[in-house]
Amino acid sequence: DTAVSQTPKYLVTQMGNDKSIKCEQNLGHDTMYWYKQDSKKFLKIMFSYNNKELIINETVPNRFSPKSPDKAHLNLHINSLELGDSAVYFCACSQDRGLLVSYEQYFGPGTRLTVT
Amino acid sequence: AQSVTQLGSHVSVSEGALVLLRCNYSSSVPPYLFWYVQYPNQGLQLLLKYTTGATLVKGINGFEAEFKKSETSFHLTKPSAHMSDAAEYFCAVSDAGISYIPTFGRGTSLIVHP
Repeated sequence: DTAVSQTPKYLVTQMGNDKSIKCEQNLGHDTMYWYKQDSKKFLKIMFSYNNKELIINETVPNRFSPKSPDKAHLNLHINSLELGDSAVYFCACSQDRGLLVSYEQYFGPGTRLTVT
Repeated sequence: AQSVTQLGSHVSVSEGALVLLRCNYSSSVPPYLFWYVQYPNQGLQLLLKYTTGATLVKGINGFEAEFKKSETSFHLTKPSAHMSDAAEYFCAVSDAGISYIPTFGRGTSLIVHP
């Protein structure tokens, strides 16, 4: 079983469209994240979310919004896509509270978004 | 606030040679430190981590790292490089107890020559 899965793996779309990327984790972890990795491999955190708290990187445009239907899912919705949104997006999770806290992050395989 | 500096965006070694990837951090509290590896077209996976206890930490695939508080460093080493080690390596730090959200370095690309 894949611990953290993302769909789709590749996403090609035009400027101005709205798209979503789905993420699911089966580790039972309490915190999930979205990262953006640019063409130079720089990893930028976008959101951190657990069932009580959403932490947003203030540099992330409000066109990006995380949506969590339940503890195991954190989807990323993007409105009005721009050329600069082209990147690889990674979902991750970790256990940051309680007796099983570990702090290490488990990453999904990534979604390569190309905006044309 | 925490930060991570990885010296050298690219490191090139010959197969069988020592691998040394440098990481320096800043943290206002005792840090938790991590090294992750990213193979082409894959997500990141944990190589090793330091939280408390022994400062020399052993990870997967023969890698190890040593936490040196006086030098604020957490360099990654491997005695003998293998072709399969070619990948992107990320150092990360978190101020556990204040914010669990890690800060990642900009990554170092390890190139292994035959």
